[in-house]
Amino acid sequence: DAGVTQSPTHLIKTRGQQVTLRCSPKSGHDTVSWYQQALGQGPQFIFQYYEEEERQRGNFPDRFSGHQFPNYSSELNVNALLLGDSALYLCASSLSWGGPSYEQYFGPGTRLTVT
Amino acid sequence: AQSVTQLGSHVSVSEGALVLLRCNYSSSVPPYLFWYVQYPNQGLQLLLKYTTGATLVKGINGFEAEFKKSETSFHLTKPSAHMSDAAEYFCAVILYNTDKLIFGTGTRLQVFP
Repeated sequence: DAGVTQSPTHLIKTRGQQVTLRCSPKSGHDTVSWYQQALGQGPQFIFQYYEEEERQRGNFPDRFSGHQFPNYSSELNVNALLLGDSALYLCASSLSWGGPSYEQYFGPGTRLTVT
Repeated sequence: AQSVTQLGSHVSVSEGALVLLRCNYSSSVPPYLFWYVQYPNQGLQLLLKYTTGATLVKGINGFEAEFKKSETSFHLTKPSAHMSDAAEYFCAVILYNTDKLIFGTGTRLQVFP
Protein backbone atom coordinates (compact mmCIF):
# COMPACT_ATOMS: atom_id res chain seq x y z
CA ASP A 1 0.00 0.00 0.00
CA ALA A 2 1.58 3.25 -1.15
CA GLY A 3 1.71 5.97 1.42
CA VAL A 4 1.53 9.67 0.73
CA THR A 5 3.58 10.65 -2.28
CA GLN A 6 4.73 14.11 -3.33
CA SER A 7 6.33 15.53 -6.43
CA PRO A 8 8.75 16.90 -7.24
CA THR A 9 11.28 16.10 -4.55
CA HIS A 10 13.25 19.27 -5.05
CA LEU A 11 12.54 22.48 -6.92
CA ILE A 12 14.46 25.68 -7.55
CA LYS A 13 12.58 28.80 -8.62
CA THR A 14 13.30 32.48 -9.03
CA ARG A 15 11.59 35.29 -7.14
CA GLY A 16 8.34 36.30 -8.76
CA GLN A 17 7.75 32.95 -10.43
CA GLN A 18 4.90 30.58 -9.74
CA VAL A 19 5.17 26.99 -8.55
CA THR A 20 2.87 23.96 -8.34
CA LEU A 21 3.47 21.09 -5.95
CA ARG A 22 1.58 17.82 -6.10
CA CYS A 23 0.40 15.29 -3.57
CA SER A 24 -1.26 11.88 -3.78
CA PRO A 25 -2.87 10.78 -0.53
CA LYS A 26 -2.60 7.40 1.10
CA SER A 27 -5.00 4.89 -0.39
CA GLY A 28 -8.47 5.30 1.07
CA HIS A 29 -7.87 8.78 2.46
CA ASP A 30 -10.09 11.65 1.35
CA THR A 31 -8.63 14.68 3.12
CA VAL A 32 -5.38 16.47 2.29
CA SER A 33 -3.60 19.08 4.38
CA TRP A 34 -0.57 21.14 3.40
CA TYR A 35 2.15 22.40 5.74
CA GLN A 36 5.16 24.65 5.28
CA GLN A 37 8.29 23.82 7.26
CA ALA A 38 10.95 26.51 7.20
CA LEU A 39 14.49 25.54 8.11
CA GLY A 40 14.79 24.90 11.83
CA GLN A 41 11.08 25.35 12.46
CA GLY A 42 8.07 23.17 13.02
CA PRO A 43 5.56 22.71 10.22
CA GLN A 44 2.97 25.48 9.80
CA PHE A 45 -0.55 24.64 8.61
CA ILE A 46 -1.38 26.19 5.24
CA PHE A 47 -4.81 24.73 4.40
CA GLN A 48 -6.88 21.58 4.18
CA TYR A 49 -8.97 20.19 1.35
CA TYR A 50 -11.95 17.88 1.54
CA GLU A 51 -14.52 17.13 -1.16
CA GLU A 52 -12.57 19.37 -3.53
CA GLU A 53 -13.05 22.41 -1.33
CA GLU A 54 -10.82 24.30 1.04
CA ARG A 55 -12.16 23.47 4.48
CA GLN A 56 -9.71 25.22 6.78
CA ARG A 57 -6.93 27.73 6.24
CA GLY A 58 -3.96 28.87 8.27
CA ASN A 59 -2.38 32.29 8.37
CA PHE A 60 -0.99 32.35 4.83
CA PRO A 61 -1.56 35.00 2.13
CA ASP A 62 -3.73 34.50 -0.92
CA ARG A 63 -0.60 33.81 -2.97
CA PHE A 64 -0.98 30.31 -1.58
CA SER A 65 -3.83 28.43 -3.21
CA GLY A 66 -4.75 24.84 -3.72
CA HIS A 67 -6.92 22.37 -5.43
CA GLN A 68 -8.22 18.89 -4.80
CA PHE A 69 -9.20 16.55 -7.60
CA PRO A 70 -11.97 13.93 -7.67
CA ASN A 71 -9.38 11.21 -7.00
CA TYR A 72 -8.46 13.12 -3.78
CA SER A 73 -5.01 14.13 -5.02
CA SER A 74 -4.10 17.74 -4.43
CA GLU A 75 -1.99 20.60 -5.68
CA LEU A 76 -0.47 23.53 -3.85
CA ASN A 77 0.16 26.64 -5.91
CA VAL A 78 2.27 29.57 -4.83
CA ASN A 79 2.32 32.75 -6.92
CA ALA A 80 4.79 35.62 -6.93
CA LEU A 81 7.40 33.66 -5.05
CA LEU A 82 9.40 35.38 -2.33
CA LEU A 83 12.73 34.34 -0.86
CA GLY A 84 10.86 33.61 2.36
CA ASP A 85 8.82 30.92 0.62
CA SER A 86 11.89 28.67 0.59
CA ALA A 87 10.93 25.72 2.75
CA LEU A 88 9.99 22.07 2.88
CA TYR A 89 6.35 21.68 1.88
CA LEU A 90 4.65 18.71 3.46
CA CYS A 91 1.43 17.08 2.43
CA ALA A 92 -0.58 15.01 4.90
CA SER A 93 -3.61 12.85 4.27
CA SER A 94 -6.31 11.57 6.59
CA LEU A 95 -9.88 10.30 6.76
CA SER A 96 -12.64 12.83 7.23
CA TRP A 97 -14.78 10.51 9.31
CA GLY A 98 -11.88 9.74 11.59
CA GLY A 99 -12.17 13.11 13.26
CA PRO A 100 -9.30 15.28 14.47
CA SER A 101 -7.81 12.49 16.54
CA TYR A 102 -7.24 10.39 13.44
CA GLU A 103 -3.62 10.22 12.40
CA GLN A 104 -2.45 12.44 9.59
CA TYR A 105 0.01 10.57 7.37
CA PHE A 106 2.79 12.74 5.99
CA GLY A 107 4.61 12.54 2.70
CA PRO A 108 8.37 13.06 2.33
CA GLY A 109 7.90 16.66 1.27
CA THR A 110 9.01 18.91 -1.57
CA ARG A 111 12.05 21.09 -0.91
CA LEU A 112 11.46 24.48 -2.58
CA THR A 113 14.35 26.89 -2.95
CA VAL A 114 13.64 30.43 -4.16
CA THR A 115 16.62 32.38 -5.46
CA ALA B 1 -4.25 31.33 21.11
CA GLN B 2 -3.36 27.70 21.07
CA SER B 3 0.38 27.08 21.17
CA VAL B 4 2.94 24.44 21.88
CA THR B 5 6.28 24.99 23.59
CA GLN B 6 9.13 22.54 23.36
CA LEU B 7 11.84 23.25 25.91
CA GLY B 8 15.30 22.64 24.54
CA SER B 9 15.99 22.80 20.83
CA HIS B 10 18.79 20.26 21.24
CA VAL B 11 19.07 17.31 23.62
CA SER B 12 22.09 15.01 23.79
CA VAL B 13 22.17 11.67 25.58
CA SER B 14 24.41 8.65 25.68
CA GLU B 15 23.27 5.37 24.23
CA GLY B 16 21.33 3.51 26.90
CA ALA B 17 20.45 6.67 28.85
CA LEU B 18 16.97 8.00 29.55
CA VAL B 19 15.45 10.24 26.91
CA LEU B 20 13.21 13.10 28.09
CA LEU B 21 11.82 15.60 25.61
CA ARG B 22 9.59 18.30 27.05
CA CYS B 23 6.36 19.69 25.66
CA ASN B 24 3.90 22.14 27.17
CA TYR B 25 0.71 23.37 25.58
CA SER B 26 -1.55 26.31 26.21
CA SER B 27 -5.25 25.72 25.92
CA SER B 28 -8.29 26.31 28.04
CA VAL B 29 -9.68 23.04 26.77
CA PRO B 30 -7.54 19.88 26.77
CA PRO B 31 -6.53 19.33 23.16
CA TYR B 32 -5.54 16.22 21.30
CA LEU B 33 -1.78 15.80 21.67
CA PHE B 34 0.73 14.17 19.36
CA TRP B 35 4.43 13.44 19.08
CA TYR B 36 5.95 13.11 15.62
CA VAL B 37 9.49 12.14 14.62
CA GLN B 38 11.31 13.37 11.53
CA TYR B 39 14.42 11.66 10.23
CA PRO B 40 16.74 13.58 7.89
CA ASN B 41 15.22 14.24 4.48
CA GLN B 42 12.00 12.49 5.40
CA GLY B 43 8.47 13.42 6.31
CA LEU B 44 6.90 13.13 9.75
CA GLN B 45 6.00 9.85 11.40
CA LEU B 46 3.56 9.58 14.28
CA LEU B 47 5.12 8.23 17.48
CA LEU B 48 2.06 8.40 19.72
CA LYS B 49 -1.04 10.41 20.49
CA TYR B 50 -3.33 11.28 23.36
CA THR B 51 -7.03 11.84 22.74
CA THR B 52 -9.01 10.66 25.74
CA GLY B 53 -8.76 7.97 28.40
CA ALA B 54 -5.51 6.72 29.89
CA THR B 55 -3.06 9.57 30.42
CA LEU B 56 0.03 7.40 29.91
CA VAL B 57 0.32 6.68 26.23
CA LYS B 58 2.67 4.12 24.71
CA GLY B 59 3.93 4.56 21.17
CA ILE B 60 6.26 2.98 18.70
CA ASN B 61 9.97 2.31 19.18
CA GLY B 62 9.64 2.16 22.98
CA PHE B 63 8.52 5.76 23.45
CA GLU B 64 5.79 6.86 25.81
CA ALA B 65 4.30 10.13 26.99
CA GLU B 66 2.13 11.19 29.91
CA PHE B 67 -0.62 13.78 29.66
CA LYS B 68 -0.66 15.94 32.79
CA LYS B 69 -3.56 18.36 32.69
CA SER B 70 -2.51 20.17 35.88
CA GLU B 71 0.88 20.92 34.36
CA THR B 72 -0.38 21.33 30.75
CA SER B 73 2.43 19.00 29.74
CA PHE B 74 2.93 16.03 27.45
CA HIS B 75 6.57 15.04 27.85
CA LEU B 76 8.05 12.25 25.75
CA THR B 77 10.27 9.62 27.35
CA LYS B 78 12.19 6.48 26.49
CA PRO B 79 13.99 4.47 29.15
CA SER B 80 17.03 3.59 27.05
CA ALA B 81 18.21 5.58 24.04
CA HIS B 82 19.39 3.87 20.88
CA MET B 83 21.58 5.34 18.17
CA SER B 84 18.67 5.02 15.75
CA ASP B 85 16.62 7.44 17.89
CA ALA B 86 18.68 10.38 16.65
CA ALA B 87 16.17 12.60 14.84
CA GLU B 88 14.00 15.71 15.17
CA TYR B 89 10.98 15.36 17.43
CA PHE B 90 7.89 17.53 17.23
CA CYS B 91 5.09 17.92 19.71
CA ALA B 92 1.76 18.98 18.22
CA VAL B 93 -1.80 19.71 19.29
CA ILE B 94 -5.20 19.76 17.65
CA LEU B 95 -8.04 21.72 19.19
CA TYR B 96 -11.37 20.01 19.46
CA ASN B 97 -13.50 20.64 16.35
CA THR B 98 -10.55 21.41 14.10
CA ASP B 99 -8.14 19.26 12.09
CA LYS B 100 -5.32 21.79 12.16
CA LEU B 101 -2.12 20.43 13.66
CA ILE B 102 -0.17 23.08 15.55
CA PHE B 103 3.47 22.11 15.95
CA GLY B 104 6.17 23.12 18.35
CA THR B 105 9.55 24.23 17.05
CA GLY B 106 11.06 20.80 17.51
CA THR B 107 13.82 19.18 19.55
CA ARG B 108 16.82 17.62 17.89
CA LEU B 109 17.92 14.49 19.73
CA GLN B 110 21.52 13.39 19.46
CA VAL B 111 22.62 10.01 20.78
CA PHE B 112 26.29 9.40 21.53
CA PRO B 113 27.88 5.95 21.75
